[in-house]
Parts: sequence; structure tokens; C-alpha cells
Amino acid sequence: KQEVTQIPAALSVPEGENLVLNCSFTDSAIYNLQWFRQDPGKGLTSLLLIQSSQREQTSGRLNASLDKSSGRSTLYIAASQPGDSATYLCAAGGTSYGKLTFGQGTILTVHP
Amino acid sequence: EAGVTQFPSHSVIEKGQTVTLRCDPISGHDNLYWYRRVMGKEIKFLLHFVKESKQDESGMPNNRFLAERTGGTYSTLKVQPAELEDSGVYFCASSQEFGSDEQFFGPGTRLTVL
Repeated sequence: KQEVTQIPAALSVPEGENLVLNCSFTDSAIYNLQWFRQDPGKGLTSLLLIQSSQREQTSGRLNASLDKSSGRSTLYIAASQPGDSATYLCAAGGTSYGKLTFGQGTILTVHP
Repeated sequence: EAGVTQFPSHSVIEKGQTVTLRCDPISGHDNLYWYRRVMGKEIKFLLHFVKESKQDESGMPNNRFLAERTGGTYSTLKVQPAELEDSGVYFCASSQEFGSDEQFFGPGTRLTVL
């Protein structure tokens, strides 16, 4: 059974800092790993999707890496801004028809 | 292009009543997923449709939950009768291909059972 853990549970940083969010998963047999952002009271916005054959994906100030062998993914946010404040979720896409297994999320606060 | 939509956004019902949630996936997406988050827990998978067929319903908690996707377009999730522990946020997602494809989520339906 896949289990996904995200560390830290919460993170508060000043604007402009570079930061790393961590995600680990127990079963390395995944199809993909997806990072989401959730604003309070809103749905999930997909940020990055890394296929199992890939090592990383980049979008703007975001970079996500995947190391299947060690069961880890990281989301790197460069030059953080207050608008980046949200809950960040990682989800492992299993081999069973693509269902996602989610971590608990990291609550990020970027203060001016 | 319209995203995944869900209706209602909020629902408050009494224990024992019935509630039906609706999800409209992105047009052309054959794959539709239901997930839910109960208080303090992570988001968990409920079931997956490919067109109108249930591909995986391993996450459905019990037989009080019934999901349908007639005609392979929108889907409904009915809870009958609702219990207190069913309270939470129910999310719907869709994707074009299954397996490795990106899933796009709707805004969710917040269900409160009193």
C-alpha cells in the first residue's frame, strides 16, 4: 500500500527566499508524481507532473525532481513571493489505473 | 476551455438524509476520478471511471456510496443515508489518458452532515 509523506508540515519564510518542499513515497512502482497547490477554500491546481521515466520538470520559478529509487521528490521554489502562500500537495500516481495517493501537504507562508 | 466543475459547492444535510453530488469533467476527458478529504486527513481516492465504466472502486468506503456516469459525460456521487463521518470535501478530477496523464481537479463540494 502506497504511503506519501510530506515534510515539513508547515513552513514560514520571508519573501525572496529559495525553498524546498519534500515528498517521500513508500512504493517506487509509480507512473508519475504530481505536485499541486491549494488555496484556502479552493480546489487543487496542478503545478507539475513528472513521469516515472523523468528526473525533473520545470515551470517558471518551480522545479520538481523525482528519484524513484529512493522514493523521494522535491519541489524547489525560487525567489518566493507572498502570492506563493498556499498548501502544497504531492501525489503519487500508482500503477493501478492512475489513482493518486496524496500526502498531507505543506502549508507555506511567505511574508513580505 | 472550461475546467472541471462540481455542484453544489456546499451542502448541509441531516444524518440519514440523501445527498447527490455532481461532477462535469473537462470535455473530451474519458477518465473521471472521485476523491475526498475528511477533517484532518489527506485526500483519498474513491473511484475511477473510464467513460461510463467503473475501472477501480477500491476506495469506496461502503455501500452507502453510489457513483454513476451515465453516457460517459458527467458523474454523480450519491450518499444514502448520510452519516456524520461522511462530512468532508469531495473532489472530482478528470484526465484524457489514464495511467501517466495529468489529472485536473474541480473546486470540490463541501459536505456537512449534522
